[in-house]
Amino acid sequence: DGGITQSPKYLFRKEGQNVTLSCEQNLNHDAMYWYRQDPGQGLRLIYYSQIVNDFQKGDIAEGYSVSREKKESFPLTVTSAQKNPTAFYLCASSMGQGWGYTFGSGTRLTVV
Amino acid sequence: AQSVSQHNHHVILSEAASLELGCNYSYGGTVNLFWYVQYPGQHLQLLLKYFSGDPLVKGIKGFEAEFIKSKFSFNLRKPSVQWSDTAEYFCAVNAGGATNKLIFGTGTLLAVQP
Repeated sequence: DGGITQSPKYLFRKEGQNVTLSCEQNLNHDAMYWYRQDPGQGLRLIYYSQIVNDFQKGDIAEGYSVSREKKESFPLTVTSAQKNPTAFYLCASSMGQGWGYTFGSGTRLTVV
Repeated sequence: AQSVSQHNHHVILSEAASLELGCNYSYGGTVNLFWYVQYPGQHLQLLLKYFSGDPLVKGIKGFEAEFIKSKFSFNLRKPSVQWSDTAEYFCAVNAGGATNKLIFGTGTLLAVQP
């Protein structure tokens, strides 16, 4: 079945450590997105990529980095510069302009 | 900047009650509109979408939404809710352009009591 796989489902890290969240899709979608979901704040866009080897900052990119070396993969690194990294992170992909998103099941990151 | 407002943060209904969740957006041009649902422990799923044409859009599980351009609104409705509709509902707007970015509202948590 086609879909988006995010791993791991739960992740714990110590403060000051970088951590990378995985997102893989086999839908052949060009566009991929990372959102952060916090209670009462909805989904906020971190980074997005419309094509391989290209990506743009979203609304809350500070403290995060991404890469898009393959069409199927869009990993997100949460760096030590992110002041409040504990959150639920959602990856999504889309066929392109005007199409909705397909979402992964998310990764819940807890930094202690 | 584009934004989406969902004024109802928490809604509690009894089974068989009617549902209407408000969604307003701020953008004067052509928009694509979406409602997503997140059931407990599950990933976000598309309920329905509006691109053009008939402003009354029907989605899955008996949900519908009406696009009222003059009011910048895209309210979600269901005539009779069930316990299984307990979930968080998100309105989202794509204001066009080449990026296909979706701007999401803050979500409405619906609890349906049996």
